[in-house]
Amino acid sequence: DIVMTQSPDFLAVSLGERATINCKSSQNVLYRFNNNNYLAWYQQKPGQPPKLLLYWASTRESGVPDRFSGSGSGTDFTLTISSLQAEDVAVYYCQQYYTTPPAFGGGTKVEIK
Amino acid sequence: QVQLQESGPGLVKPSETLSLICTVSGTSISNYYWSWFRQPAGKGPEWIGRIDNSGSTNYNPSLKSRVTMSADTSKNQFSLKMRSVTAADTAVYYCARRTAAGPYNWFDSWGQGTLVIVSS
Repeated sequence: DIVMTQSPDFLAVSLGERATINCKSSQNVLYRFNNNNYLAWYQQKPGQPPKLLLYWASTRESGVPDRFSGSGSGTDFTLTISSLQAEDVAVYYCQQYYTTPPAFGGGTKVEIK
Repeated sequence: QVQLQESGPGLVKPSETLSLICTVSGTSISNYYWSWFRQPAGKGPEWIGRIDNSGSTNYNPSLKSRVTMSADTSKNQFSLKMRSVTAADTAVYYCARRTAAGPYNWFDSWGQGTLVIVSS
């Protein structure tokens, strides 16, 4: 099974500043034949289910603000919140869907400094 | 707008069977693939398995020996049964829909989740 590892576990950022979350997969999740990275990002607020933010590592789900962006390829990925807003306080998860079972990382908790 | 709602007992005794139902509204379950997840406190979600639009199932190998999923299209519901539970099965359980964009396992709609505690 592919194991997803996120860093840091916890991140405190000032309002309006950039937040950067890292995700590493134990195996490559780039499918050569379509050049797509099988990697999604989710946001989870307390008491709520995960909410899909990005798929294909960098494609925003409909309705997701453009301050959320994703980058990376192969085994190393990054979620960036360009200008942190109060409503972005949450835990963020990466998830690979290259193989079954799909697997999530352990999460990165983002708070306001 | 699709909505999913989990239901079932919040407390299950050790060695017994956990049974949950996910009721879907806003779309037919026959049109999509559906999954169950669980999330212990402070951890990331764990995929339990899925049932597809023909009723075929695929389970996480780590749980396969204890899990059964089924669907009732007349009620637009699908269900999860997990046998021989222990305290390690205590978690929030979610049902979710796989994207319609293709055979890709990202999940675009989730239920609110239901907490299941395994304790005597």
